Amino acid sequence: ILNVEQSPQSLHVQEGDSTNFTCSFPSSNFYALHWYRWETAKSPEALFVMTLNGDEKKKGRISATLNTKEGYSYLYIKGSQPEDSATYLCALSRGDDKIIFGKGTRLHILP
Amino acid sequence: DVKVTQSSRYLVKRTGEKVFLECVQDMDHENMFWYRQDPGLGLRLIYFSYDVKMKEKGDIPEGYSVSREKKERFSLILESASTNQTSMYLCASSPRLGDNEQFFGPGTRLTVL
Repeated sequence: ILNVEQSPQSLHVQEGDSTNFTCSFPSSNFYALHWYRWETAKSPEALFVMTLNGDEKKKGRISATLNTKEGYSYLYIKGSQPEDSATYLCALSRGDDKIIFGKGTRLHILP
Repeated sequence: DVKVTQSSRYLVKRTGEKVFLECVQDMDHENMFWYRQDPGLGLRLIYFSYDVKMKEKGDIPEGYSVSREKKERFSLILESASTNQTSMYLCASSPRLGDNEQFFGPGTRLTVL
């Protein structure tokens, strides 16, 4: 069974603080690594797709890095805001049509 | 603006009923997926389809079937609903080629009494 692991499962962060969380995955047959943000009462939305070892992507205050050799990716949020409260999902693609999701990190921003 | 729509946001059914969940996408995507999301378990793939009339089992297909008669529509069928099928159901689509980014519908929260 292919496992995509995310940690921590849940995280509380004070507004204005920066934070990061981890996705780890088997490095064999790697094709792409996805990060999605899933806000309450909305659909999951893609944040980043990364394919190359060493890739770094950035969107505003959110950025992600990828290490395919050791099988991990980090998601960073700088200066957390209330609107960052969401579940962040990591997903692995191995080149077929499916992607395998982790269980997510639930982020709560405290005012 | 790309869109995946699902027929209902909330649905309440009784044990033993036949339940249809409909999903429609307007992006001409070849691939369509049905997931269920339960607390602590993440998104689990039930079935997916990579073409009209084609389907493949995901990780938890038991108790479900699917239908893909048209490219834009993918239906999830619960032949005889049971209480353990109470869950949030999400539909997604993606193009056949590329990085497999999936586009999700808003979800259907199904309660089976």
